[in-house]
Amino acid sequence: NAGVTQTPKFQVLKTGQSMTLQCAQDMNHNSMYWYRQDPGMGLRLIYYSASEGTTDKGEVPNGYNVSRLNKREFSLRLESAAPSQTSVYFCASSGPPGQGFRGEQYFGPGTRLTVT
Amino acid sequence: DQQVKQNSPSLSVQEGRISILNCDYTNSMFDYFLWYKKYPAEGPTFLISISSIKDKNEDGRFTVFLNKSAKHLSLHIVPSQPGDSAVYFCAASLNTGKLIFGQGTTLQVKP
Repeated sequence: NAGVTQTPKFQVLKTGQSMTLQCAQDMNHNSMYWYRQDPGMGLRLIYYSASEGTTDKGEVPNGYNVSRLNKREFSLRLESAAPSQTSVYFCASSGPPGQGFRGEQYFGPGTRLTVT
Repeated sequence: DQQVKQNSPSLSVQEGRISILNCDYTNSMFDYFLWYKKYPAEGPTFLISISSIKDKNEDGRFTVFLNKSAKHLSLHIVPSQPGDSAVYFCAASLNTGKLIFGQGTTLQVKP
């Protein structure tokens, strides 16, 4: 049981290049999320997916696209990377509200992205 | 407009003493409040949460207090241990399942 996995762990891009960050979870969770973490800013939600086949914008969606490929996988794409997208990106998942649910999300180890 | 705020960027305490981390929020619609712990180069890990209808939740050395009238929550760690040194994020949940995070507080526990 790996929980939430993310690839790659590190990436350096030049301005204008594109890339896709991959995320997968094996907890049979319905909801998945993408966050970015910047110094002094906490974690900010980029996009989320409440269930397979649905996606919605979070607080900072500009410059990103997402795909909920199936229940397990949720990818984040940068079409034309900019230096302002230099950050650490975290994927998370959560189960449905119900008995025992405490509001928690489970996070992957992160992808450290640098755009030069 | 920051809905969840942690006004102390850092906190240093001696091993064995109490650590108190604070968090303020503005939105009365939040249904859960959570604390996460984060070590360098790792993802945040869930620590403890409290429902908006409660005022206290305890789990071992960790206790979270919620003061709804003041829109304030705090995390108490007793006794503090060097392994507790990490960044602590408070977060608030909307009934959609989305979390809104504070900026984080770096806790250093000195041996």
